[in-house]
Amino acid sequence: NAGVTQTPKFRILKIGQSMTLQCAQDMNHNYMYWYRQDPGMGLKLIYYSVGAGITDKGEVPNGYNVSRSTTEDFPLRLELAAPSQTSVYFCASSRQAGAEAFFGQGTRLTVV
Amino acid sequence: AQRVTQPEKLLSVFKGAPVELKCNYSYSGSPELFWYVQYSRQRLQLLLRHISRESIKGFTADLNKGETSFHLKKPFAQEEDSAMYYCALSGQNFVFGPGTRLSVLP
Repeated sequence: NAGVTQTPKFRILKIGQSMTLQCAQDMNHNYMYWYRQDPGMGLKLIYYSVGAGITDKGEVPNGYNVSRSTTEDFPLRLELAAPSQTSVYFCASSRQAGAEAFFGQGTRLTVV
Repeated sequence: AQRVTQPEKLLSVFKGAPVELKCNYSYSGSPELFWYVQYSRQRLQLLLRHISRESIKGFTADLNKGETSFHLKKPFAQEEDSAMYYCALSGQNFVFGPGTRLSVLP
């Protein structure tokens, strides 16, 4: 059972480039989340989804977009990368509201 | 609105000493609270949740609804407990506190 899988693990982007961070879960979880983790700042919620076709903004959504066309996948899109988006990104999923969240291994993104 | 606060960014204790990591929350509904741990360069993993009322790796946490707190405690800290600890609340979505870095000194 793979759980939550994120790709890539590492990426370096130039300012203005775009990319998609992939996240997939095989636990048939309804809820999925994207967080960014900055040193000393903890985890900030970017976007979340309560089911296929439904997404909502978290605390820090600016500069990002998401989609949820299937239960399994929840990609995060950066359209115009900026140095402020240098961070470690974690995807997570949970079965329902109030349930434990399972995390991916993270994507370390550097924008130069 | 959901909010989780952890007042200590860094907590240093000596091996064998008791440790308490503080967590307070605000939520209008009935909260589900968790503690997650992140060892160096690893993914976050669940340490414990309040509804299970179990002790994991010697850690316990009690939900105090009157004080809106969910502090994490361990009577005798070990060096391998050194990590980042995050308190989290699951309600409308899953929100984390800023984290406390625990450093257990030899």
